[in-house]
Amino acid sequence: GENVEQHPSTLSVQEGDSAVIKCTYSDSASNYFPWYKQELGKGPQLIIDIRSNVGEKKDQRIAVTLNKTAKHFSLHITETQPEDSAVYFCAASKGTYKYIFGTGTRLKVLA
Amino acid sequence: DTAVSQTPKYLVTQMGNDKSIKCEQNLGHDTMYWYKQDSKKFLKIMFSYNNKELIINETVPNRFSPKSPDKAHLNLHINSLELGDSAVYFCASSQDTGEAFFGQGTRLTVV
Repeated sequence: GENVEQHPSTLSVQEGDSAVIKCTYSDSASNYFPWYKQELGKGPQLIIDIRSNVGEKKDQRIAVTLNKTAKHFSLHITETQPEDSAVYFCAASKGTYKYIFGTGTRLKVLA
Repeated sequence: DTAVSQTPKYLVTQMGNDKSIKCEQNLGHDTMYWYKQDSKKFLKIMFSYNNKELIINETVPNRFSPKSPDKAHLNLHINSLELGDSAVYFCASSQDTGEAFFGQGTRLTVV
């Protein structure tokens, strides 16, 4: 069945360091991969996404890479700041009105 | 202006009761969703509606009945509430299968 694995489940980094979160998807038909940030008491908010015809996408301090052959995609956050602390979710979709979410990564940026 | 709004934000009720959660989006999207987030933060799709038609029903007990009176609204009615229904329920919307925007969530506690 459709499945998205996400690692690590928790990640602590010093302010200014980089953070990397990795996901693996099972359905090779998946073609859209969003990343969401969820702050305490709020709904998930899209921070970046990538489609299967692109290998990498960058938006200021965040970037996402996609390896379709290995069915891996990763989120990279550079120069982390305390306000980056949140739970991050990856997701995969094959255009069937359903997003399969990873299990989440709790990121703590230590000042 | 809130893009996807849910009411109520908090809901505490006794086992066996029936309750509803309302969702409205002002983004002009044609697709709406209900997701359940459990105590471990795992996000799981429950229902998807496209142009008021049910597209996805992800093996949700039939005590849960979604209703979409128009494309901007997707309400969730739950009959005979059980302890295991306690969770945070998120409504979301997208234009077709594109980027999904989430509401702030409804924390349901069944006692």
